[in-house]
Amino acid sequence: TQLLEQSPQFLSIQEGENLTVYCNSSSVFSSLQWYRQEPGEGPVLLVTVVTGGEVKKLKRLTFQFGDARKDSSLHITAAQPGDTGLYLCAGVEYGNKLVFGAGTILRVKS
Amino acid sequence: NAGVTQTPKFQVLKTGQSMTLQCAQDMNHEYMSWYRQDPGMGLRLIHYSVGAGITDQGEVPNGYNVSRSTTEDFPLRLLSAAPSQTSVYFCASKKRGITEAFFGQGTRLTVV
Repeated sequence: TQLLEQSPQFLSIQEGENLTVYCNSSSVFSSLQWYRQEPGEGPVLLVTVVTGGEVKKLKRLTFQFGDARKDSSLHITAAQPGDTGLYLCAGVEYGNKLVFGAGTILRVKS
Repeated sequence: NAGVTQTPKFQVLKTGQSMTLQCAQDMNHEYMSWYRQDPGMGLRLIHYSVGAGITDQGEVPNGYNVSRSTTEDFPLRLLSAAPSQTSVYFCASKKRGITEAFFGQGTRLTVV
């Protein structure tokens, strides 16, 4: 099983600040997904990136897949308290299995 | 549309007891999986199934059994609970391929 490392583990910022979360692997994944999880709930998919160098935007969230398909980043512009949660990256193995990173806990203070 | 339904939501077991965590999905997804989530460790794959009658081990299968007799159901059995199995368990389902995984709400299990 390939490993995914996420950083930072924890991020506490003020409303309006920008932030970036990183997801790195020494191996190549066919695609990578980002999920967001709120307390007491299961993770919910935010985005899937498939092509090396791909950039996808979801309102104030920008996701990038590295050219070599080994790393990805999530950038949030002007964070809001509603962005608070656990952000998980997941590499897709063999088209089905998901390998998850340890997650980044984001807290946005108003 | 119910999606992925897990029961129970909370459970306390004594060491050595056995139990089954239930998972059902109504989306006709081929692929189902069980994860455990521990602080600082993300989601770790316990067992998965690519279709009825087919199961395979994930990263942390020891102490757990699964079966997949129907497309809809994928129960997880703890044979003899140990304190190290205290965790939050999530069931997920997805269609084959690079598709969205849908998760249940989780089962918080405490083994004392």
